[in-house]
Amino acid sequence: KQEVTQIPAALSVPEGENLVLNCSFTDSAIYNLQWFRQDPGKGLTSLLLIQSSQREQTSGRLNASLDKSSGRSTLYIAASQPGDSATYLCAELSSNTGNQFYFGTGTSLTVIP
Amino acid sequence: DAGITQSPRHKVTETGTPVTLRCHQTENHRYMYWYRQDPGHGLRLIHYSYGVKDTDKGEVSDGYSVSRSKTEDFLLTLESATSSQTSVYFCATTGSGNTIYFGEGSWLTVV
Repeated sequence: KQEVTQIPAALSVPEGENLVLNCSFTDSAIYNLQWFRQDPGKGLTSLLLIQSSQREQTSGRLNASLDKSSGRSTLYIAASQPGDSATYLCAELSSNTGNQFYFGTGTSLTVIP
Repeated sequence: DAGITQSPRHKVTETGTPVTLRCHQTENHRYMYWYRQDPGHGLRLIHYSYGVKDTDKGEVSDGYSVSRSKTEDFLLTLESATSSQTSVYFCATTGSGNTIYFGEGSWLTVV
């Protein structure tokens, strides 16, 4: 079973700060890695997807990177805003286990005005 | 947005009763999934489907069954609900590039 770890479990930052969320995975045959946002009582919204052949993806203030050799992905959020407060999850899709995704338990982010 | 609708969104049921959750998608995606999300465990795969009448077990399949008679519908059934099945259930599908999309969730309470 592939393991996906997100540390820290919770993070509080003041508004305007740049921050990095971490995702570690054990799969050496990763196919892609996806970052999601989840608001309380809601489903998961896809933010960025990085294919195994890519190093990073950007969308607005978000930048996600992938380093397969170290088994790590990061989500960089620039100039954080209170509206960024949510839980952020990562999920990896393995090349070895069919179309099964493995999820981290998430980092709960609070941006303080 | 992959046009995923889950029903019911909220349900309270008694121990021992059968419960069926429905997932409907409008994008003609081949793969469909049922996950449960619990504090401390994250998202865990219950069952998934890779086509009509083609399903397979996930990590936590005991006590659950699924059916997929049409591409757009994937049903999750709890044959005899237990309190340990109180959870939030998410349906998901995969689209191009293996991007995974989620429904809004179904909150199930077994009393």
